[in-house]
Amino acid sequence: DIQMTQSPSSLSASVGDRVTITCRASQSSSNYLNWYQQRPGKAPNLLIYAASSLQGGVPSRFSGSGSGTDFTLTISSLQPEDFATYYCQLSYAFGQGTKLEIK
Amino acid sequence: QLQLQESGPGLVKPSETLSLTCTVSGGSINNNRYYWGWIRQPPGKGLEWIGSIHYSGRTYYNPSLKSRVTVSLDTSKNQFSLKLSSVTAADTAVYYCAKDIGNYQTDYWGQGTLVTVSS
Repeated sequence: DIQMTQSPSSLSASVGDRVTITCRASQSSSNYLNWYQQRPGKAPNLLIYAASSLQGGVPSRFSGSGSGTDFTLTISSLQPEDFATYYCQLSYAFGQGTKLEIK
Repeated sequence: QLQLQESGPGLVKPSETLSLTCTVSGGSINNNRYYWGWIRQPPGKGLEWIGSIHYSGRTYYNPSLKSRVTVSLDTSKNQFSLKLSSVTAADTAVYYCAKDIGNYQTDYWGQGTLVTVSS
């Protein structure tokens, strides 16, 4: 079974900060790594697919990179609406989530 | 604009079968590019992918749930369904139906429905 490990599990940052979230797969499967944003009480929203492709309508401050077993989501300059929980997904396995909070 | 809406009982007894339906509007499920699936989220916890179905009828399930899960299509009603058998309190969650365009790339989600397992 594939296991996805995200780090950190929580993160405090300020508006304008650059933040990075990492995701590690227990085995190399493919580079079809997805990133989602979830705001409280809402369904997740696809941000990045295939590790580095930006989903339509998603601001360019979001970017993804990585291959093999190690992947990264970067937000270049945090905006107030970015404070949410972020999940990576590879195949049927989601990471445990990273809660991004305002410092 | 594609919309997905979950429906079904909000309360299920332990050992019984959870059944949910997702109605798709604004588009047809008869499209060989898409997969239709279910994802759940226990209260205060993370996401768990359950399973999906291609319009051809081919199904894909999370190995950890495979023995209890069935996902099916009803193309005449533009709906797809989830059945999860032998439920316990651990199956209490918000259940989302969703559209996947391949490689688990989920671009449309329903609003989610809370299902509680309790006697």
